Amino acid sequence: KAGVTQTPRYLIKTRGQQVTLSCSPISGHRSVSWYQQTPGQGLQFLFEYFSETQRNKGNFPGRFSGRQFSNSRSEMNVSTLELGDSALYLCASSLAGGDYGYTFGSGTRLTVV
Amino acid sequence: GESVGLHLPTLSVQEGDNSIINCAYSNSASDYFIWYKQESGKGPQFIIDIRSNMDKRQGQRVTVLLNKTVKHLSLQIAATQPGDSAVYFCAENTSGTYKYIFGTGTRLKVLA
Repeated sequence: KAGVTQTPRYLIKTRGQQVTLSCSPISGHRSVSWYQQTPGQGLQFLFEYFSETQRNKGNFPGRFSGRQFSNSRSEMNVSTLELGDSALYLCASSLAGGDYGYTFGSGTRLTVV
Repeated sequence: GESVGLHLPTLSVQEGDNSIINCAYSNSASDYFIWYKQESGKGPQFIIDIRSNMDKRQGQRVTVLLNKTVKHLSLQIAATQPGDSAVYFCAENTSGTYKYIFGTGTRLKVLA
């Protein structure tokens, strides 16, 4: 059974650019969550989607957005990149979210220069 | 490999000894908790979970204890092995919020 797949694994972008990260959940999982991981702030919740609907959003600026498609695949977008956006972005999928638990992907390492 | 956290608290244990990793959670309304293990260059990996109506749950070589009175979780690893070396996070969830709040993490180093 394939795990959570995130692409690309590594990305280098310039300040001011935008970036789109992709996540393919485990087959049958309908909930997808995104987290940002940095050495200083740890793991911070970005947003959660279930059946194409965002059910919760973390405390991040509007430059961070996401969406989920009908096949449960998800993308997140960061516009007008800042140096502080450099982080490991983790996607996690779950059957239904909440107390069903989440399986994480290996993440996309974004470096903004 | 990638550094998960530069200034994480570190627990060093001898191979074969038992390890205890502690976590103070933040929200008294949290009712579901997970311990995750993260190795360098990988995403967090589920270890064990516990719901708030329990105070103890056991898995293979791992036990989670929950003390709701003081909002404290602990993860006990029996007979710690070199492969247990990683960063461990506790995560809490409140029903209906669909998000997890992660602790700061503890780095476990197993000494041969």
